[in-house]
Amino acid sequence: GQQLNQSPQSMFIQEGEDVSMNCTSSSIFNTWLWYKQDPGEGPVLLIALYKAGELTSNGRLTAQFGITRKDSFLNISASIPSDVGIYFCAGQLSGSGGSNYKLTFGKGTLLTVNP
Amino acid sequence: EPEVTQTPSHQVTQMGQEVILRCVPISNHLYFYWYRQILGQKVEFLVSFYNNEISEKSEIFDDQFSVERPDGSNFTLKIRSTKLEDSAMYFCASSEHGELYFGQGTRLTVV
Repeated sequence: GQQLNQSPQSMFIQEGEDVSMNCTSSSIFNTWLWYKQDPGEGPVLLIALYKAGELTSNGRLTAQFGITRKDSFLNISASIPSDVGIYFCAGQLSGSGGSNYKLTFGKGTLLTVNP
Repeated sequence: EPEVTQTPSHQVTQMGQEVILRCVPISNHLYFYWYRQILGQKVEFLVSFYNNEISEKSEIFDDQFSVERPDGSNFTLKIRSTKLEDSAMYFCASSEHGELYFGQGTRLTVV
């Protein structure tokens, strides 16, 4: 099946710093999504990207859908302690009208923010 | 805000026993999914369900697994004869289209 390479595996930063993480794939996706997971909880959707080249923001978060459709990055600006968690990228192949919107997840980036 | 709810939050079962994990998807969603996350690892796809039938399943979803939508609101995952390696967090998700919303998960521990 499709594999997503997410990097870095972990990051340890100071509060106030900016953070960048990315995902690459050997095959194309139609949609990229970014999720955050807190310990013991389910993934929470942060940003969804639908078009190659698209740049989308959600507060301090900015994500881009790569032109080749094989990669995406997520930036977090001015990090705060509550940004701590695991960030997952997820790729989706199915277009609208399909019977399945299955996601393939990356392995996650563990973010630690030192106050 | 509508959310996906899962019960129980934690289930401990003996190896070989059957378990049923329950989910109530978001009410206007049409697509339903089960995912699994072994401790410290990534979230893995198990199965997707649409129009009262399985639309795709992974190789993890073998004959011991089954899904059902027994009424208009519930979506269940049954594991017929649990194995130690089935211990994991199981997440239900639903979507109207491409954006999947996940429940809080059920932590299954097989002893």
